[in-house]
Amino acid sequence: QSVLTQPPSVSAAPGQMVTISCSGTSSNIGNDYVSWYQQLPGTAPKLLIYENDKRPSGIPDRFSGSKSGTSATLGITGLQTGDEADYYCGTWDTSLGAWLFGGGTKLTVL
Amino acid sequence: EVQLVESGGGLVQPGGSLRLSCAASGFTFSSYWMSWVRQAPGKGLEWVANIKHDGREAYYVGSLRGRFIVSRDNDKNLLYLQMNGLRAEDTAVYYCATRVTIFGPVINRYFQDWGRGTLVTVSS
Repeated sequence: QSVLTQPPSVSAAPGQMVTISCSGTSSNIGNDYVSWYQQLPGTAPKLLIYENDKRPSGIPDRFSGSKSGTSATLGITGLQTGDEADYYCGTWDTSLGAWLFGGGTKLTVL
Repeated sequence: EVQLVESGGGLVQPGGSLRLSCAASGFTFSSYWMSWVRQAPGKGLEWVANIKHDGREAYYVGSLRGRFIVSRDNDKNLLYLQMNGLRAEDTAVYYCATRVTIFGPVINRYFQDWGRGTLVTVSS
């Protein structure tokens, strides 16, 4: 079981919006930046959000990130079938001295 | 264009050793921390190790410390992962990634670019 807790799955219709939560503690999310990664089926992970809410070049503004206290949230608007993927949050844990990934959330676009 | 190409994966017996390589191009390799991240079949991502840009410091997930060794050759733009005493639970796709590390009031760190991975299977 991951220290960072994500819902195993979320789903929504094309064009709709979805949010994915990532819950941690004061030694990880509460104390460090959060990043998000998208893993399309059969491919390597890809950086989606860094520094809680910043998008790398080439990531559409349909994707957004936020953080409050010991939780972070990834938002995706205008859902497309091509957004179907696993999404992972990640951050450093100062108590463990280790990088943590959430357990991952599988997004289904119905 | 940043390219990271892992190699060296394969089938190995329990207790055996394997050395993975990651060939980097398209960026100044010697300026970046680098990392290994693995993913067991059907499972989530697990951070394995980081190595500082100059190779002088390395950090590991606690459960692997002592069995796995990360190193780099900045002259050849190569990252390595030496894996010893392999176990069935080490079976995974191993990815190398550039690890952005920006020191400030809060250290900003994340995995920016990823390779396609190499599969390691530990089985008799």
